[in-house]
Order: sequence, then C-alpha cells, then structure tokens
Amino acid sequence: GAVVSQHPSWVICKSGTSVKIECRSLDFQATTMFWYRQFPKQSLMLMATSNEGSKATYEQGVEKDKFLINHASLTLSTLTVTSAHPEDSSFYICSARDPGLAGVTQYFGPGTRLTVL
Amino acid sequence: GENVEQHPSTLSVQEGDSAVIKCTYSDSASNYFPWYKQELGKGPQLIIDIRSNVGEKKDQRIAVTLNKTAKHFSLHITETQPEDSAVYFCAASIDTGFQKLVFGTGTRLLVSP
Repeated sequence: GAVVSQHPSWVICKSGTSVKIECRSLDFQATTMFWYRQFPKQSLMLMATSNEGSKATYEQGVEKDKFLINHASLTLSTLTVTSAHPEDSSFYICSARDPGLAGVTQYFGPGTRLTVL
Repeated sequence: GENVEQHPSTLSVQEGDSAVIKCTYSDSASNYFPWYKQELGKGPQLIIDIRSNVGEKKDQRIAVTLNKTAKHFSLHITETQPEDSAVYFCAASIDTGFQKLVFGTGTRLLVSP
C-alpha cells in the first residue's frame, strides 16, 4: 500500500529557532501533499495544500511566512516552522495523494511532535 | 463549505460487541467518505472508504454505509477486539481535483476485554 514517512518523529527546540519537517512518499509519486496540525484530543486541522512545483495554498488563518512549505519533488514536501514559539508546539502530520489511484485518497505520515521551549 | 459532524465522541464496548459511529455532512456535492483510525501518538490510518455510487462496503469486520438522501454515513465494527481501541475520524470530500478532506471531530473507542 501507499506509505508516507515523516522525519523527525519528534523534535524539541528553543523559542526563536526554526524547525524543518520532511514528508516523503515512499512507494508512489505524490503530486499533492497536505499538512495538518493536531492539538491534543482534537481533530486534524488542515494548514496547507502543497502541489509539486508550485506555491502552497494556505488555509485561512495560517501564516504563510511562519509555516514555509516546499514541494520540490514528487516524493518530498517540507514544512519549516520559522521563529518557533511555545504556542507552535503541536503534532504536525502530512498526507499525500496517490495519483495512481482513483480519487482523492490521502495516506498519512506518522506525524511529528514539535515541542518549543 | 462542507461541515462534518460525528457522534458519539466516546464509545465504550465490551470485547465481541459491535460498535457504530455516525457522521453527517452538509454539502450534497461531497461524494467520497473515508474513515481513519488513529492510535495514540501516530498518524491516521485509512481503514475503509466509500464513494457515493455505492451504499455499503465491507472489509472483514469493518463496514461503512452511506445514505446520500439523508447525508449521513456510518462505520460499523463487528466482533470488536481490544486492539480496535483508538480514535476514529470520518471525513468527506469531493472526489475530483484537489478537494481537501473535511474531518469529523473524532470518536474515542474503548474496547474492554
């Protein structure tokens, strides 16, 4: 089946630093990837849609200058949290669409837990 | 835009019992409805999905039913096992282009031995 990986699985950083999270589709080429944020005991909140070779589309209320997304290849998208602050601490999850399958089926990565001190 | 409601928020059953989780959606144009299982500290895992051209789909102990007229769909788990304990999310989307998934609020299922 479609496998999506994320790296790192967890990261702790100091306030003011930047953190990069990688999302890779391992056995398919993903023209579209999605980035979500999830707070404890809550649902997934879509942050942005990332299309290979073009600028990401951000959801309302998500700061594009703070959450930089790059989808430079068909198997890799990155999310960089710039000048991180404690309120950015969260569980970040990516997903990818497999264009080889019909429709909009999304396969999720294992998530990255970010803690900002 | 689409809005998805999910009930119940928590569900406790005994091992071997059945569990049913229900979702309603608002946009009649939605035609793709996946269900995801999320274990603690992990990403969501697709367990079953259904498209609006069918009313029911089964995969071993898991089934999903869809009522387009009423705009609701349900997840049925039979013969529950402790390893079924997790948070389950329903979602809705339009099955074309880059339409995003709209998620329900999640159901925490606890299966007691």
